[in-house]
Amino acid sequence: DAKTTQPNSMESNEEEPVHLPCNHSTISGTDYIHWYRQLPSQGPEYVIHGLTSNVNNRMASLAIAEDRKSSTLILHRATLRDAAVYYCILRDENYGGSQGNLIFGKGTKLSVKP
Amino acid sequence: NAGVTQTPKFQVLKTGQSMTLQCAQDMNHEYMSWYRQDPGMGLRLIHYSVGAGITDQGEVPNGYNVSRSTTEDFPLRLLSAAPSQTSVYFCASSKGRGRNQPQHFGDGTRLSIL
Repeated sequence: DAKTTQPNSMESNEEEPVHLPCNHSTISGTDYIHWYRQLPSQGPEYVIHGLTSNVNNRMASLAIAEDRKSSTLILHRATLRDAAVYYCILRDENYGGSQGNLIFGKGTKLSVKP
Repeated sequence: NAGVTQTPKFQVLKTGQSMTLQCAQDMNHEYMSWYRQDPGMGLRLIHYSVGAGITDQGEVPNGYNVSRSTTEDFPLRLLSAAPSQTSVYFCASSKGRGRNQPQHFGDGTRLSIL
């Protein structure tokens, strides 16, 4: 199984950019890199995903290394509402055929200071 | 928009009791799944379904049953509750197959087994 490695926790100041790293050195050529976040007492929420190129959406940006062995989720201006656990996930075919399922690690707990 | 709705939000059971956790989605998603989350851990897949009438086991299926008679509903049954099943349960759905499909999660059912 392709696995990811993330720091256990990170801190940020409000309104400053945040770079959340993820290492996935055993990624296969067809694995998508997904990011989800989980706010306290809520279910996980999709943030962004990508395959090879950098991606942007209204929530965040995803920067993928050229060799795809690492990626970085970028929150351009952190708000208090961004305090959550962020999960970097590679889609795994083992339990879902072509659909693939999400295999969650422990993620990175992001704290945002006012 | 309702999205993925889980009921109940909280439940306390005695060891040996049975119960059904309900999950419904109104997005006409083919794919649905159940995860459990234990304290300080990421989510683990219990069962999933790729369409009505089709279900399969995930990483931790023992003690749980599922069925998928309609596209909208995917109930999870605990046959004989055990304290080890104390957890937060999340239901998720996604549109069709493919590893680039984001999953939508409900807000969870918090289950305690005494």
